[in-house]
Amino acid sequence: GAVVSQHPSRVICKSGTSVKIECRSLDFQATTMFWYRQFPKKSLMLMATSNEGSKATYEQGVEKDKFLINHASLTLSTLTVTSAHPEDSSFYICSARMGTASVGAFFGQGTRLTVV
Amino acid sequence: DQQVKQNSPSLSVQEGRISILNCDYTNSMFDYFLWYKKYPAEGPTFLISISSIKDKNEDGRFTVFLNKSAKHLSLHIVPSQPGDSAVYFCAAHSGGSNYKLTFGKGTLLTVNP
Repeated sequence: GAVVSQHPSRVICKSGTSVKIECRSLDFQATTMFWYRQFPKKSLMLMATSNEGSKATYEQGVEKDKFLINHASLTLSTLTVTSAHPEDSSFYICSARMGTASVGAFFGQGTRLTVV
Repeated sequence: DQQVKQNSPSLSVQEGRISILNCDYTNSMFDYFLWYKKYPAEGPTFLISISSIKDKNEDGRFTVFLNKSAKHLSLHIVPSQPGDSAVYFCAAHSGGSNYKLTFGKGTLLTVNP
């Protein structure tokens, strides 16, 4: 089946630094990728929709200058958490759409970000 | 405003018995529903889906039922196996080209041997 690879799976960084998370569709072209954030015991919250070759669409309440999204190619989207703070510590998950809605979205393995 | 609700945070069943996971939604524009399974520290895995024009979809041990009038869907797993122990998320899609999914909070299923 379709595979979405997310890297790194775990990262620890210092406050004030930036962290980049990559999301790749390995065997299909993803015109649209999505970035989610999951808080403990909470649902997956959509942060932004990443469209290849255009600006990302951010959900209400998500700071676009803090969470930079780049969808440079049909197989790669990146999320950069800039000037990270401890409250940015979370589990970040990307997903990619393939074809029609009937096949479901495919998710990456997730990235556990810890800001110290 | 939570448009997709999974009111049971956890469910525990015996191996071999049926697991029933419930999901309610409020947005009548949702036209496609999906169930995902998630293990700790991993991304969700697509399990099964159903279109709003159907009331049942079956795939092996997994069956999803949709009651549009009640805005309710359920996932049945039978027989339940210990490997089914995970968090199950209900998600809904409202159509259109952006394919945004709205997720419930999830239900932790524990299948006891």
